[in-house]
This record gives sequence, structure tokens and C-alpha cells, in this order.
Amino acid sequence: QKEVEQNSGPLSVPEGAIASLNCTYSDRGSQSFFWYRQYSGKSPELIMFIYSNGDKEDGRFTAQLNKASQYVSLLIRDSQPSDSATYLCAVIPSLAGGYNKLIFGAGTRLAVHP
Amino acid sequence: ETGVTQTPRHLVMGMTNKKSLKCEQHLGHNAMYWYKQSAKKPLELMFVYNFKEQTENNSVPSRFSPECPNSSHLFLHLHTLQPEDSALYLCASSPKTSGGADTQYFGPGTRLTVL
Repeated sequence: QKEVEQNSGPLSVPEGAIASLNCTYSDRGSQSFFWYRQYSGKSPELIMFIYSNGDKEDGRFTAQLNKASQYVSLLIRDSQPSDSATYLCAVIPSLAGGYNKLIFGAGTRLAVHP
Repeated sequence: ETGVTQTPRHLVMGMTNKKSLKCEQHLGHNAMYWYKQSAKKPLELMFVYNFKEQTENNSVPSRFSPECPNSSHLFLHLHTLQPEDSALYLCASSPKTSGGADTQYFGPGTRLTVL
């Protein structure tokens, strides 16, 4: 079982719609969760992080965390063509794994079409 | 710009060459990282340095040799690489190393091609 799993996509959504990106993780003791966006040929850039169960909103982005289900998601409201990129989910596993050792998923490619 | 710079941005080398990748962070961070990103694969953590000390070596072959002379600079020395080592090498830094998690910021990467 992969430590961090994401659907590779592509996830295709029309402009203005809500894009929903999902991620599951295997280490139940994981405490910190991150979403990065990576445009083709570029490096990952941080979108947001979440530590507590529930929702965290930042502009058009909402991260949702459910530790009981070992599930974290990213919602993008009013999707724009400029949101087309690969979205990487990253997890810092439990303390035994190191508190600054990020484990990445393979990423979900999002395509927003006009 | 994240405040993390990497040079060179592109590198082509033969299998017998020796080269070095350089990373510098201007953020006052205390931790630095090397990652490898190959096509169709997740980012792979290679090395972690906290306060100049290596705290993680993720089973990386010895042909990759990291060096961290201070908290702002990180090098990756390369020698006798294989074609399968061709990838995007990313450097990252984060603010703190003690207690809790912190956020990593990435440099632009070095695109390495081994012939």
C-alpha cells in the first residue's frame, strides 16, 4: 500500500465549477497535511496546510481533513484555466518517521476548460 | 520567488563526470532538503539537514553526496551517475526543526540529464 495515494487524473472540470481533489494516507498517526500545486516544468508551490480535523479555507481553496478516515481533500471553487496544474498531497507521518519528513503522493492533474 | 535559489537550472553530464548542484535559501530557515522528481513518480526525499547536520538519508546511492556548510547553503555532489538518475532535483527549506511540523518551500529545481 502506498503511503500517500492520489488519483492521477486528469480531472477535467469546466471553468467556474468546483474541483475536488482527494488524498488518502496510510499512517494513522500522521499529524500534518499539505497541498502543493505544480505547473508543468516548475517546482511545487505551497497552497495550504491543515493540521486539525475539519475545514480550512483560504480564498477559493478549502482543505478538508478527516483523520478517522485518513482522508484529506482540496476543493477549488470557481475554477479557472490558470488552476490547471498537478496538485500534490503531502503528509508528515507520525513522530517515529520524523517531524519534517514529507511524504508526497504522485499528484492529481487538474484540467480546467473554458 | 520562494527565496530558495538553485544553480544550475539545467545540467547535462556524462556518466564519468563529476558535477555539483547548489542551493541557497534567503529565508533564515534552519532545515534544508534534497528531493528527486522523476517522470510519473512521486517526489522522493533524498536528504534532510537540520542546523547543518544530516538527519535523514533515504537510502540514497553513494554516487550522490550532499554537503551543508551552513544553514543557508546546500550542495549535492554528483559522480559516476547513471542514465536513470536523470530527473528534476529539487531543493527545499523550512523554518524550524524542533517540535511540530513546519512548511517546506521549494526552489526552482535543476533539470539533470545523464548521457
